[in-house]
Amino acid sequence: GNSVTQMEGPVTLSEEAFLTINCTYTATGYPSLFWYVQYPGEGLQLLLKATKADDKGSNKGFEATYRKETTSFHLEKGSVQVSDSAVYFCALARGSTLGRLYFGRGTQLTVWP
Amino acid sequence: DAGVIQSPRHEVTEMGQEVTLRCKPISGHDYLFWYRQTMMRGLELLIYFNNNVPIDDSGMPEDRFSAKMPNASFSTLKIQPSEPRDSAVYFCASSSSNIQYFGAGTRLSVL
Repeated sequence: GNSVTQMEGPVTLSEEAFLTINCTYTATGYPSLFWYVQYPGEGLQLLLKATKADDKGSNKGFEATYRKETTSFHLEKGSVQVSDSAVYFCALARGSTLGRLYFGRGTQLTVWP
Repeated sequence: DAGVIQSPRHEVTEMGQEVTLRCKPISGHDYLFWYRQTMMRGLELLIYFNNNVPIDDSGMPEDRFSAKMPNASFSTLKIQPSEPRDSAVYFCASSSSNIQYFGAGTRLSVL
């Protein structure tokens, strides 16, 4: 089947620290991979995506590389800010087909000044 | 574009009452999704539509839950009768590709 496993949270960091949130997936075929972010009181919004192996998605200083050999899509940022405090969701879509996304459980990130 | 619009933003009701949540997707999007988010269970897909037709409703928890999409610009999620364990944030999302756009959600409290 199709599933996503994220590292358990919460993650608490000081401002300017390095962030890694691990994500691994199980999927049939060649999925597209996504990171969504949910700020307090809001809906989820797309942070970045990658559609094929070795692609790197990036946005707002965040990066994630699609690793087929390790079935992973870890989220990284070199220097977090207080404004990055949010819940981060890893997700996959099967191949190029439209339709549902398979979401991980989400990882709460809190950044302290 | 105004994005996905959900109403109401907050709903407080008593056990046994009927609750109707509403969603207006982004114009031109042909997929619509309903999710439920709780601390215990995380984000759950309840049902999704393609071109107004329900494709997968396997996530709908019970017969008390029903969803309709009478046209391309409107969908409802109804709970009848509501129970305290239905308290959650309900999100609607729409898409025309594999990127989903979420509404701000409806926070439902059933007392």
